[in-house]
Amino acid sequence: DAKTTQPPSMDCAEGRAANLPCNHSTISGNEYVYWYRQIHSQGPQYIIHGLKNNETNEMASLIITEDRKSSTLILPHATLRDTAVYYCIDPGYSSASKIIFGSGTRLSIRP
Amino acid sequence: GAVVSQHPSWVICKSGTSVKIECRSLDFQATTMFWYRQFPKQSLMLMATSNEGSKATYEQGVEKDKFLINHASLTLSTLTVTSAHPEDSSFYICSARESGGPYEQYFGPGTRLTVT
Repeated sequence: DAKTTQPPSMDCAEGRAANLPCNHSTISGNEYVYWYRQIHSQGPQYIIHGLKNNETNEMASLIITEDRKSSTLILPHATLRDTAVYYCIDPGYSSASKIIFGSGTRLSIRP
Repeated sequence: GAVVSQHPSWVICKSGTSVKIECRSLDFQATTMFWYRQFPKQSLMLMATSNEGSKATYEQGVEKDKFLINHASLTLSTLTVTSAHPEDSSFYICSARESGGPYEQYFGPGTRLTVT
């Protein structure tokens, strides 16, 4: 089973920030949180990952709470092309780690 | 970098035949590759983990004799769906993890299989 929980769906107005929450209360101290998204009929696309500090790249920002039990993915200026299912993943940190997908959050962007 | 390709991108086959799907890591070596299946409106389901040079490890409920996995080199894994039936029609996605870490997985674009 997936080790994270996310709301099943969210919507956001185009041009506004989309904030996607994720709970990962069982995450261990050395395990990263990863975010992927899947646009319809495509393979999952890597977005960002983090351990304990907030992270930012050209796609998104990742805010991780101090206790590391939850995080928020922020798309600062959502566009219609950001419509996708977003997955928050805790794959573990070892050579035996593997990604188990939960249901993710279906993000819809309103024009 | 870290590009994973799949071939073919889509395939249609007749019931009872077998079909092979290839997964390649284009710019890195992958000791471990993963195969997923996705039905419409559902999430990805992990089918098996393949390690180069050894037998694949299948998830519970996945028939190893029906879904043959070969990982003969550090850049290629293949999934063969044997004696395909219409219920095997699905979106098959592979991912690869770079040898020696970090333990990130890179995903291919997927292969849509339709069995008629």
